[in-house]
Amino acid sequence: KAGVTQTPRYLIKTRGQQVTLSCSPISGHRSVSWYQQTPGQGLQFLFEYFSETQRNKGNFPGRFSGRQFSNSRSEMNVSTLELGDSALYLCASSFGQTTGELFFGEGSRLTVL
Amino acid sequence: TQLLEQSPQFLSIQEGENLTVYCNSSSVFSSLQWYRQEPGEGPVLLVTVVTGGEVKKLKRLTFQFGDARKDSSLHITAAQPGDTGLYLCAGAGGGSNYKLTFGKGTLLTVNP
Repeated sequence: KAGVTQTPRYLIKTRGQQVTLSCSPISGHRSVSWYQQTPGQGLQFLFEYFSETQRNKGNFPGRFSGRQFSNSRSEMNVSTLELGDSALYLCASSFGQTTGELFFGEGSRLTVL
Repeated sequence: TQLLEQSPQFLSIQEGENLTVYCNSSSVFSSLQWYRQEPGEGPVLLVTVVTGGEVKKLKRLTFQFGDARKDSSLHITAAQPGDTGLYLCAGAGGGSNYKLTFGKGTLLTVNP
């Protein structure tokens, strides 16, 4: 059974640019959550999608957005990148129950110069 | 806002030693999960505790959920270098809260 796949694994951008990250969940999983991980703040919740609908959203500015497709694959976009957006972005999938186990991908390491 | 405080933040021990890490909150959680994250990888679930006072054992790891469901601990017996990693606790609220709240983690290093 394939795990959660995130692409790209590493990327470098400059301030003001935008970036799109992709996440393919485990087959059969309908929920996809996105987290930002930094050494200072730990894992911070960005948003969660279930059946193409955003079900919950964290406290991030509108520059951070996401979407989910009918095949449950998800993308997140960050526009007008800032230095502080440098982080590991983790995607996690689950069957969809609110407190069930999350299966994480290896993450996308974003560096903003 | 539900917050989870983990302590210690960093822990470096020798192989064979025992250790305990803590996860505390002022909020009540319906369940609490522990994850371990190794360098370059995403977190992997170790255990979920649901009932106040519950104790679960996973080989040399013992997890306990506080009676009031506000805190949890992870005890490792005879630590091994393979236990090295970032240990994260995550709490789930009841009702319509669809997300998990993560602590910042305890970075454990077990030296051979």
